[in-house]
Amino acid sequence: AQSVSQHNHHVILSEAASLELGCNYSYGGTVNLFWYVQYPGQHLQLLLKYFSGDPLVKGIKGFEAEFIKSKFSFNLRKPSVQWSDTAEYFCAVTGNAGNMLTFGGGTRLMVKP
Amino acid sequence: GAGVSQSPSNKVTEKGKDVELRCDPISGHTALYWYRQSLGQGLEFLIYFQGNSAPDKSGLPSDRFSAERTGGSVSTLTIQRTQQEDSAVYLCASSSPGPNEQFFGPGTRLTVL
Repeated sequence: AQSVSQHNHHVILSEAASLELGCNYSYGGTVNLFWYVQYPGQHLQLLLKYFSGDPLVKGIKGFEAEFIKSKFSFNLRKPSVQWSDTAEYFCAVTGNAGNMLTFGGGTRLMVKP
Repeated sequence: GAGVSQSPSNKVTEKGKDVELRCDPISGHTALYWYRQSLGQGLEFLIYFQGNSAPDKSGLPSDRFSAERTGGSVSTLTIQRTQQEDSAVYLCASSSPGPNEQFFGPGTRLTVL
């Protein structure tokens, strides 16, 4: 069975700090990888996704993630966070059949102004 | 265009009662998913519908849970004889076929007293 692990449960940063959120997955076949974000009071939205090709993926709002197959990792990065990035971030994976998402436990990010 | 909608947004019920939660997917999306989000368990997959195929029910936690999708569009998740541990936010998502982005609705917050 596939699983996703997010190492940081809570992260507190000041504005303009750099961000890296860890995500590791366990799956025996080809994977599709996603980062979703849930802003306070809002529904889950897609930040970025990786299916194939360039392992460095750029998403919305200045976020990017790098797929490192040898490390089974898909870490999320942003060079300079803003107060508006305060949210919960979820890493998720599907198998190549495109079925259900398996989510990590989420990381709550608080950015202090 | 309209996104995924869910109703009701909040539902409070007494232990032992049945509840029905509704999801209207994005028009034209043939894939529909139910997940639930709870403090103890994070985001968990429940059930997946793809077109006219038999649904993938592998995530349903007990036989008190069932779902149907009528006419390939609207879906209803039914929980019979609700228990306090069923309290959670129930999320619906839809997508086009294959490993594509899933678009999430705002969720139904279920509280079982």
